[in-house]
Amino acid sequence: DAMVIQNPRYQVTQFGKPVTLSCSQTLNHNVMYWYQQKSSQAPKLLFHYYDKDFNNEADTPDNFQSRRPNTSFCFLDIRSPGLGDAAMYLCATSTTGHEQFFGPGTRLTVL
Amino acid sequence: GQNIDQPTEMTATEGAIVQINCTYQTSGFNGLFWYQQHAGEAPTFLSYNVLDGLEEKGRFSSFLSRSKGYSYLLLKELQMKDSASYLCAVGYGGSQGNLIFGKGTKLSVKP
Repeated sequence: DAMVIQNPRYQVTQFGKPVTLSCSQTLNHNVMYWYQQKSSQAPKLLFHYYDKDFNNEADTPDNFQSRRPNTSFCFLDIRSPGLGDAAMYLCATSTTGHEQFFGPGTRLTVL
Repeated sequence: GQNIDQPTEMTATEGAIVQINCTYQTSGFNGLFWYQQHAGEAPTFLSYNVLDGLEEKGRFSSFLSRSKGYSYLLLKELQMKDSASYLCAVGYGGSQGNLIFGKGTKLSVKP
């Protein structure tokens, strides 16, 4: 089945230790998104790729970076995680202007 | 600015009908989306409205009034499995399909 896959599902890291979250898709969608969702809050868009074009939200901290080496894969790099970065990180994909399909998410814990 | 409002929590009885309202004020509008999110899981797409009126999909219906900045999600014949958060989201940003989410309405279905 076509899907959006995120690895790992649960990630524990230490304060300040870089971490990378991955997302892959078999839907061949041209747009990929990364969201941060904290408990009982709305998913917050961090950035998205429209094909190879990277679009950063204005209020996304510099601590968060992303890479999209090809259509299928997208990575979220957190350079120096702080306690406030503990959250669920959701990857989503879409074709131009249509509904977004979400992966299962990676729950990040920062110790 | 961007603002999406929906009630924080609602309770309803199994077999009943419930309406979840959403009002929005956004700088762009490419459509109104409803997503369902069970605790600890990713959002899943329920419905999309871009024109005024009612869209029906099985037990779920969604309504949009663009002039009033208002939408609702109607759930009929409630089942216990419908207990979840329901997220209202507005599409913006042209063809790139960006979404801004409301904080979600946590629906509890009681026997």
